[in-house]
Amino acid sequence: DARVTQTPRDKVTEMGQEVTMRCQPILGHNTVFWYRQTMMQGLELLAYFRNRAPLDDSGMPKDRFSAEMPDATLATLKIQPSEPRDSAVYFCASLRDSNTGELFFGEGSRLTVL
Amino acid sequence: RKEVEQDPGPFNVPEGATVAFNCTYSNSASQSFFWYRQDCRKEPKLLMSVYSSGNEDGRFTAQLNRASQYISLLIRDSKLSDSATYLCVVPRGGSQGNLIFGKGTKLSVKP
Repeated sequence: DARVTQTPRDKVTEMGQEVTMRCQPILGHNTVFWYRQTMMQGLELLAYFRNRAPLDDSGMPKDRFSAEMPDATLATLKIQPSEPRDSAVYFCASLRDSNTGELFFGEGSRLTVL
Repeated sequence: RKEVEQDPGPFNVPEGATVAFNCTYSNSASQSFFWYRQDCRKEPKLLMSVYSSGNEDGRFTAQLNRASQYISLLIRDSKLSDSATYLCVVPRGGSQGNLIFGKGTKLSVKP
């Protein structure tokens, strides 16, 4: 049963520390998204890639966030330095390049920055 | 108008009730729309696609009103297991690759 895999599931860190979240999209899915979800803002698109090329990262604070896809099986989202306002659930999702619009989400990485 | 807007609820309904949610969107160029379901502390999952002619799947019916720029989701004979948050999703700029999620409408079905 193919699924998107994210690590870590939960992360508690202190302000100022670097945080790296990883995502393995479903094999064959060529579009990969990073979303952040909070109670106040809901699901916000941070960045997305198609065929590993970044298409849009306008939703991401560029001074501290960076997203990369070093290869087709790995997407990373890095926060450096982390701040308490970064506390949220970060979802990775992948999409097979079709017209179904069905995003497959990972289980999310719950980040708490103290 | 916000890109995607939903009533956050919660909608508290008894089992067997019929409940409907609306979602408004701002981009008139959008061609297709979606409803996702998210259970508490879980990831969102696709519930239904909404095309110009609407879509029905069992107890669930989704409809599109282009003139007024809203989509709706109707749940008939609601079950306890329908309790979740329902997210309205619209492509930004008409592109399938960049989906904008509403903040969701919370539904709680009571015995």
